[in-house]
Amino acid sequence: EAGVTQFPSHSVIEKGQTVTLRCDPISGHDNLYWYRRVMGKEIKFLLHFVKESKQDESGMPNNRFLAERTGGTYSTLKVQPAELEDSGVYFCASSQDNRLPGAAFFGQGTRLTVV
Amino acid sequence: DQQVKQNSPSLSVQEGRISILNCDYTNSMFDYFLWYKKYPAEGPTFLISISSIKDKNEDGRFTVFLNKSAKHLSLHIVPSQPGDSAVYFCAASESGGSYIPTFGRGTSLIVHP
Repeated sequence: EAGVTQFPSHSVIEKGQTVTLRCDPISGHDNLYWYRRVMGKEIKFLLHFVKESKQDESGMPNNRFLAERTGGTYSTLKVQPAELEDSGVYFCASSQDNRLPGAAFFGQGTRLTVV
Repeated sequence: DQQVKQNSPSLSVQEGRISILNCDYTNSMFDYFLWYKKYPAEGPTFLISISSIKDKNEDGRFTVFLNKSAKHLSLHIVPSQPGDSAVYFCAASESGGSYIPTFGRGTSLIVHP
C-alpha cells in the first residue's frame, strides 16, 4: 500500500511567485494534516482536514496560505504570493483516527525555498 | 513560546552505549507524549508513546520515561546502533483537546561505530 506522497519534493521560487504543494494521503484516511518546519525549528501544525472539511486551521500563518481538499482525497497547499520567511519543509500527514496522534503517517515533505 | 522543548540540538554516542534524549514541556494539559524519528529527506515516523497515566513504556531497545511533576520525559535507546542516527522529535498532545501533537525542535543523534 502506498504511503503519504507529496509533490514536488523540492521547489525553488522567487519572492512574489505562487507555489502549490500537493499531498496524496493514504487511501481511506479521512484525516489529513499539514505541518511546516522552518530550518532547525519545531515542526509546526498548520491545519487539519476531516474529509473535505477544515477541522482546524489555527496554525495557518496568514491569508497568503490556502489549503484545499476537494472531494476529500488529495490536498493542495497554495502560497500566494510567497515571501522569504515561507521557506521550510512542508509535511503532510494522514490518519484514520485523529484520536491516535501516533497513528498519523507523514509524507517525505516538500522543501520550499523562496529566494 | 515553545510548549515542548528539546534543549540539546545534538547528541553523539558510541555504538553499544546508551543514548538518552530529553524533552521538557510547559503545558500541564498535555497527557499523551510521543517520540518520532526522522531520517534525512524523509518524513517523521512514529517511534514510541506514553500516556500520562504511566511513567514508563518500553518497546524493544526503546524506553520512554515520564516525570509528570517535573514535566519531563526522556527516550532511552539501549544499545545504540549506527542505524539509530537520525533526528528525534518529542511531541505532546491533549486527549481532551484536538489531539494534534505539538512538536519540539528535535535532537540530532549520531551513533558512531
